[in-house]
Amino acid sequence: GDSVTQMEGPVTLSEEAFLTINCTYTATGYPSLFWYVQYPGEGLQLLLKATKADDKGSNKGFEATYRKETTSFHLEKGSVQVSDSAVYFCALSGAGGTSYGKLTFGQGTILTVHP
Amino acid sequence: EAGVAQSPRYKIIEKRQSVAFWCNPISGHATLYWYQQILGQGPKLLIQFQNNGVVDDSQLPKDRFSAERLKGVDSTLKIQPAKLEDSAVYLCASSFGFATYNEQFFGPGTRLTVL
Repeated sequence: GDSVTQMEGPVTLSEEAFLTINCTYTATGYPSLFWYVQYPGEGLQLLLKATKADDKGSNKGFEATYRKETTSFHLEKGSVQVSDSAVYFCALSGAGGTSYGKLTFGQGTILTVHP
Repeated sequence: EAGVAQSPRYKIIEKRQSVAFWCNPISGHATLYWYQQILGQGPKLLIQFQNNGVVDDSQLPKDRFSAERLKGVDSTLKIQPAKLEDSAVYLCASSFGFATYNEQFFGPGTRLTVL
């Protein structure tokens, strides 16, 4: 079945540091890929998405590129802020069979940014 | 635009008791999902509705969990009887449709503690 693997956390950075959170997936066909973010005390919200190979999703300074050849969707930001402290989830929406349209999530990565 | 509403936000019960959660999706969204998120893990899909019909309930423990979506709008998820391992956050999400590329919008969740 479909699966998503995120880098082990937590991640602790200083403000203005570069961020990378690795995400790889296993799925049949061409799934859509998402990054969701959960700020403290809030619900999950979509950060960015990509629906086909080589697409780049971007939002709030975050970027991720859909790499079919490496089955990856790594999240990056050039300069993090304290307000980026949150839990980040990589997810895919299945493209085949019984997994069609269903979200499969990674385990989440806790990011803490210090001033 | 109003988001996905859930209630209650928190619930504490003893094992073997019953509990029910309520969800009101975004107006016009035909697809509704219930997820279980155990601490430190990503959300796991329990059940998916399209209008008032069940699309997928393969991950729902049907001996104790039940869900319904009357009139294709609100939904309730029930657990009876609860077990200690049911302690988790229960998330409701909705989307316009269940195509692979559709964004799912999440509610704030209900945190259940089973003692």
